[in-house]
Amino acid sequence: NAGVTQTPKFRVLKTGQSMTLLCAQDMNHEYMYWYRQDPGMGLRLIHYSVGEGTTAKGEVPDGYNVSRLKKQNFLLGLESAAPSQTSVYFCATNGGSNEQFFGPGTRLTVL
Amino acid sequence: GQQLNQSPQSMFIQEGEDVSMNCTSSSIFNTWLWYKQDPGEGPVLLIALYKAGELTSNGRLTAQFGITRKDSFLNISASIPSDVGIYFCAGPKMNRDDKIIFGKGTRLHILP
Repeated sequence: NAGVTQTPKFRVLKTGQSMTLLCAQDMNHEYMYWYRQDPGMGLRLIHYSVGEGTTAKGEVPDGYNVSRLKKQNFLLGLESAAPSQTSVYFCATNGGSNEQFFGPGTRLTVL
Repeated sequence: GQQLNQSPQSMFIQEGEDVSMNCTSSSIFNTWLWYKQDPGEGPVLLIALYKAGELTSNGRLTAQFGITRKDSFLNISASIPSDVGIYFCAGPKMNRDDKIIFGKGTRLHILP
């Protein structure tokens, strides 16, 4: 039982490059989330999904896109990376009880 | 909008000391959650509180749901080195089940 996994763990991009972060869960949870964590800012919600095929914007969605084609996967895309997107990205899931389960994070640096 | 204010932002304590931190909001919450984030890891839920006045323990950790429903407290007794990390309070946004909001965290440092 892996819980919530994230791929990759680390990545360095140049400004303007694109990439996709993958979150996978084996808990059969409906809700999935992408957060970014920056020093002194806590966790800020980027996008989330309440079920397969659905997505919604969070607090800081600009510059990101997401897709939830399968229940167990939630993808976060950066089409044209900017230095302001340097951050640690966390995926989380929720089975409907308010408790969110987090992945180990992806550390992204944009040069 | 709803915000959660945590204090203190950081704490430096000696091993063995007790720790107290709190979380306040101008909005009422139906649920209070406390998470801990170890260095280099994702946050993990420590305690969930569902009722005003509720006091819940998890080992050396005790959390309380304030009776006004606008605050919550977390205490750690007899701190040990593995208590180092960031402690976040959280609650459901607009008291919905599908989104929660987080405070900015209290960073705990333990001096040798």
